[in-house]
Amino acid sequence: EVQLVESGGGLVQPGGSLRLSCAASGFTFRTYWMHWVRQAPGKGLVWVSRINSDESSTSYADSVKGRFTISRDNANNSLYLQMNSLRAEDTAVYYCVRGSSSWRNAFDIWGQGTMVTVSS
Amino acid sequence: QSVLTQAPSASGTPGQRVTISCSGGSSNIRSNTVNWYQQLPGTAPKLLIYNNYQRPSGVPDRFSGSKSGTSASLAISGLQSEDEADYYCAAWDDSLNGLLFGGGTKLTVL
Repeated sequence: EVQLVESGGGLVQPGGSLRLSCAASGFTFRTYWMHWVRQAPGKGLVWVSRINSDESSTSYADSVKGRFTISRDNANNSLYLQMNSLRAEDTAVYYCVRGSSSWRNAFDIWGQGTMVTVSS
Repeated sequence: QSVLTQAPSASGTPGQRVTISCSGGSSNIRSNTVNWYQQLPGTAPKLLIYNNYQRPSGVPDRFSGSKSGTSASLAISGLQSEDEADYYCAAWDDSLNGLLFGGGTKLTVL
C-alpha cells in the first residue's frame, strides 16, 4: 500500500524549533518530488515547500523562507521539515505530500497530517 | 501577491450540476496546469482533477475540469450527498516560484 506517515508534531513555544518527519512506503520514494502543505485550524490549504527527487533543488513559500528547511533521505524513504523560529501563525496541520510522477505539482498521495501548535 | 480566487461557498440539490470557479493570473493559471482537490470533513485532501481536466483512477466521471485563460472550473454533475466537501484549486506560480492554492469552496448539498 502506498503510504505517507508524518510524525514529530506537538506543542512548541514561539521562537522554538521542531522537526517533522514523513515515512514513505509502497513506492519508489527516490524518484518522486515531495512537498509539505499545511492547514491552520478552520482555514484553507497552504503550500509550504518542495524538494526534487535528488535533493538538488528546493522551493519555499515566502512565509517560511529562511526559517524552514526541507530535506530527504532517499536511502531511508524519509522526508523532513526542520522548522525554526516558530511563530503562532505556523500553527497548523502539516501534510507530507507526493507529487505525481508525470505532473509534479499534482499531489496524488497525502499523509494523515501532524499537528503543530505554537503557543506559550 | 498572486492569488487564486474561489467563491467561499456553493450549494446544490441532489442530481443537480454545480460549477466551482477559480480565478488567477498570467503567472499561474495561464502558464501552468490546474489541479483540484476534494477535502471531506476531518480527512486529508484528495486529488480530484490534474492537468486541468484529467481524473485519477477511481474518481467518478461526474467530476470534470476545464481551463480557459486565467480561469479554471470544476463541474460536478449528478450531485450526491457525499460530494459535500471543501474543494480547492491549485497551480504553480512562476513569479513566486511556489505553488498557490485557492481559498477553497465549501459545497453544501441541500
